[in-house]
Amino acid sequence: EAQVTQNPRYLITVTGKKLTVTCSQNMNHEYMSWYRQDPGLGLRQIYYSMNVEVTDKGDVPEGYKVSRKEKRNFPLILESPSPNQTSLYFCASRRWTGGSYNEQFFGPGTRLTVL
Amino acid sequence: EDKVVQSPLSLVVHEGDTVTLNCSYEVTNFRSLLWYKQEKKAPTFLFMLTSSGIEKKSGRLSSILDKKELFSILNITATQTGDSAVYLCAVFYNNNDMRFGAGTRLTVKP
Repeated sequence: EAQVTQNPRYLITVTGKKLTVTCSQNMNHEYMSWYRQDPGLGLRQIYYSMNVEVTDKGDVPEGYKVSRKEKRNFPLILESPSPNQTSLYFCASRRWTGGSYNEQFFGPGTRLTVL
Repeated sequence: EDKVVQSPLSLVVHEGDTVTLNCSYEVTNFRSLLWYKQEKKAPTFLFMLTSSGIEKKSGRLSSILDKKELFSILNITATQTGDSAVYLCAVFYNNNDMRFGAGTRLTVKP
C-alpha cells in the first residue's frame, strides 16, 4: 500500500530535549516536505526537499532541521524544542516533475507537545 | 506577500443545506489551486483546478476557479453530517511553492 508514515504519532516532551520525528514514504517520490498546523493558521511549510541531499527552507524553518540522506526518508529534527513548537506536524510527499503539480500524499500526523 | 485567504473561517448548517466555501489568492506565477478535506487526521485531496471556468465535480461537491478575479469556490449540496470537516484551499505557484489557507471549519447538524 502506497503510504507516508510518521513516528511517533504523539509525543510529549520538555523544553530543550532534542527530538526527531521520522517520515518515510514508499512511493519513490522525489519531493518531500514538513508542515505544521496550528489553529487558525492552516498548514505552514517548515522545510522541503526536492531530492536526496537537496533541502530548502519553507515559511517557518526557525528551530527545525531536516536531512535527506535517502530518497524514502525525511526526518524532522528539533535540536532544542520550545513550547511554541507545540503543534500538529504533517509530512508529505509527491512526485517532482518541474513546474507541474502532482498529488501530494500526507502522513497521519504527529501531535507534539513541548512543556 | 503571497497569500491565500479562505472564508468563512467557520460555518454551521443543517443537513440538506447547500454551502459555498470561498478561497481567494494573491501569488506570483499561479499554477494550480487545490481543495482538501480534513477530518481528524491528514488532509485528503478533493480537487485540483488549473483552468478558469471549468467546473470540477464529484458527487455533491463541485468547485470552480476564476483566474481573472483570483478566487475559487467549493460548493457542497444536500449536506450530510459526514461532510463536517475542515476544508483547506492551497495554491501551487512558481515552480515549487505551495501555500495553504487557514481553512473553513464546516459543521453539519442533523
